[in-house]
Amino acid sequence: AQSVTQLGSHVSVSEGALVLLRCNYSSSVPPYLFWYVQYPNQGLQLLLKYTTGATLVKGINGFEAEFKKSETSFHLTKPSAHMSDAAEYFCAVKNYRDNYGQNFVFGPGTRLSVLP
Amino acid sequence: NAGVTQTPKFRVLKTGQSMTLLCAQDMNHEYMYWYRQDPGMGLRLIHYSVGEGTTAKGEVPDGYNVSRLKKQNFLLGLESAAPSQTSVYFCASSPMYDRINYEQYFGPGTRLTVT
Repeated sequence: AQSVTQLGSHVSVSEGALVLLRCNYSSSVPPYLFWYVQYPNQGLQLLLKYTTGATLVKGINGFEAEFKKSETSFHLTKPSAHMSDAAEYFCAVKNYRDNYGQNFVFGPGTRLSVLP
Repeated sequence: NAGVTQTPKFRVLKTGQSMTLLCAQDMNHEYMYWYRQDPGMGLRLIHYSVGEGTTAKGEVPDGYNVSRLKKQNFLLGLESAAPSQTSVYFCASSPMYDRINYEQYFGPGTRLTVT
């Protein structure tokens, strides 16, 4: 079974500082990997995804993530935090061969606070 | 193009009452999902559907029923609400390309309180 762990339920950074949100997954087959962002009282929006090809993927709002197979990780980064980045971030994994069953497995989420 | 919409946005039920949450999508997606979100637990899959007329159980299906009579709609029913079902419910849909489904598109959520 697949699983996703996100280190740190709450991360605080200063405005302008580097954002690093950690995601590790377990999967017996090559995964598809996703990062979603949830702003207060809203649904989840896709930030970026990795399916195949280049392991460094760029998303919206200046975020990027790197798929490292040897570390089973897909950490999310942004060079310079902005106040508007304050939100909850979810990492998700999907077995690329599985179109049935429990398609997507979500991590527990990391709440990002940006301090002025 | 409204994407994924959910009604109602908020609801308060008393224990034992029933209700139906409606999810609609206008993107012609094959797959639809119902999740519940609880603090510190991320999203947990309740039920999902891979097409009109088909449904299947997810991780936490007990106490819920679903129906997908039309491709664009996915209904979540609570027959006898319990306080443990207090949560935020999200509907999502995803397209299928080349027999593979990719990312999901989420609705804005329904906040349900059961007293």
